[in-house]
Amino acid sequence: TQLLEQSPQFLSIQEGENLTVYCNSSSVFSSLQWYRQEPGEGPVLLVTVVTGGEVKKLKRLTFQFGDARKDSSLHITAAQPGDTGLYLCAGVTSGTYKYIFGTGTRLKVLA
Amino acid sequence: DAGVIQSPRHEVTEMGQEVTLRCKPISGHDYLFWYRQTMMRGLELLIYFNNNVPIDDSGMPEDRFSAKMPNASFSTLKIQPSEPRDSAVYFCASSPPPGYEQYFGPGTRLTVT
Repeated sequence: TQLLEQSPQFLSIQEGENLTVYCNSSSVFSSLQWYRQEPGEGPVLLVTVVTGGEVKKLKRLTFQFGDARKDSSLHITAAQPGDTGLYLCAGVTSGTYKYIFGTGTRLKVLA
Repeated sequence: DAGVIQSPRHEVTEMGQEVTLRCKPISGHDYLFWYRQTMMRGLELLIYFNNNVPIDDSGMPEDRFSAKMPNASFSTLKIQPSEPRDSAVYFCASSPPPGYEQYFGPGTRLTVT
């Protein structure tokens, strides 16, 4: 069974701090995505990474795909209250659209 | 663009009753996914369709669950009979080709008493 473990599970930080969320698996994925979900809503896609070692930036968010395509990280610089939410990683293996979602990281940024 | 539309948003039913959840994908999206989210198990893929054809239903928990997509603009997820352990938020998502950008609906919160 493929599993995607995220750490930490919960994170509460002050506005302006930096943070990193990790997504780890023993499986190799052809692509990996990061989503943010707010209460009462569906997840919203932030980024897709497909190449081992790939780094993508989205304003204050930096995403990295591990060289072996088994892990990924999300780094937020100078967090803001608007970054509060549940962050989910999701991986898919080649030839399928059967997404495996991670266990999630609940982030709270205090003003 | 209206986004993915799901109905109802909330459903409360008694154990043993039939429940039907509905989804209207974004026009032009030819992939449709049904997910279930709980605190214990997180977000789980139940089934996905491509061009109205079910491709992988290995995530459907039991024969009590069934999903259909009669046309490109409508899909249903049916639970019959429902049980308390089916209580969860059910999401529908659609994706344009080649299927790697999922747009999620707002979800249906199902409570089975």
